[in-house]
Amino acid sequence: GAVVSQHPSWVICKSGTSVKIECRSLDFQATTMFWYRQFPKQSLMLMATSNEGSKATYEQGVEKDKFLINHASLTLSTLTVTSAHPEDSSFYICSARDVAGSSYEQYFGPGTRLTVT
Amino acid sequence: GQSLEQPSEVTAVEGAIVQINCTYQTSGFYGLSWYQQHDGGAPTFLSYNALDGLEETGRFSSFLSRSDSYGYLLLQELQMKDSASYFCAVQNQGGKLIFGQGTELSVKP
Repeated sequence: GAVVSQHPSWVICKSGTSVKIECRSLDFQATTMFWYRQFPKQSLMLMATSNEGSKATYEQGVEKDKFLINHASLTLSTLTVTSAHPEDSSFYICSARDVAGSSYEQYFGPGTRLTVT
Repeated sequence: GQSLEQPSEVTAVEGAIVQINCTYQTSGFYGLSWYQQHDGGAPTFLSYNALDGLEETGRFSSFLSRSDSYGYLLLQELQMKDSASYFCAVQNQGGKLIFGQGTELSVKP
């Protein structure tokens, strides 16, 4: 159990375009999902906390108008990278907490590798 | 601010025991988690300590001392498949995880 999927697994887009990444909890409900970004050989940096039915909370330094987050249901959160630039190329990973599970365990998706040309 | 420190890399041989230390400075603390990540993969949960002491799960154990803002992950009977990056992460209010920079473990035959 406790599977989180992401789609797409990888995407290449041109500079200036927008890309949407989906994060789904497949067998549990998640009122809270988190979005991270990871550059090669570096740590996971928390970008934002996504709460079902309300606005996302962004970490300091993360542009909310550039990284649009929508958490429309208990099993789906989306991250849209708007007007993407090459410096946005990274590995984007989501995680989810099971509303019925422990308070500390987060389940991570397999990640989406974004390349902006 | 918040910061976590852990060694950048560790090398050990199969069958050995290795300890990965983590020290942290945070404005809020609910617990310390450990995650494993293989190249290009998703982080997978290993353990969580909210209280002082040792938690054991199979070959992996994790320790926490809240007074020292210190924890470690102990891996026993190392196997080649344990070669991966290991991250400590502080859990803050609301379940937010703040990750350390990661320790790359290389297990040699």
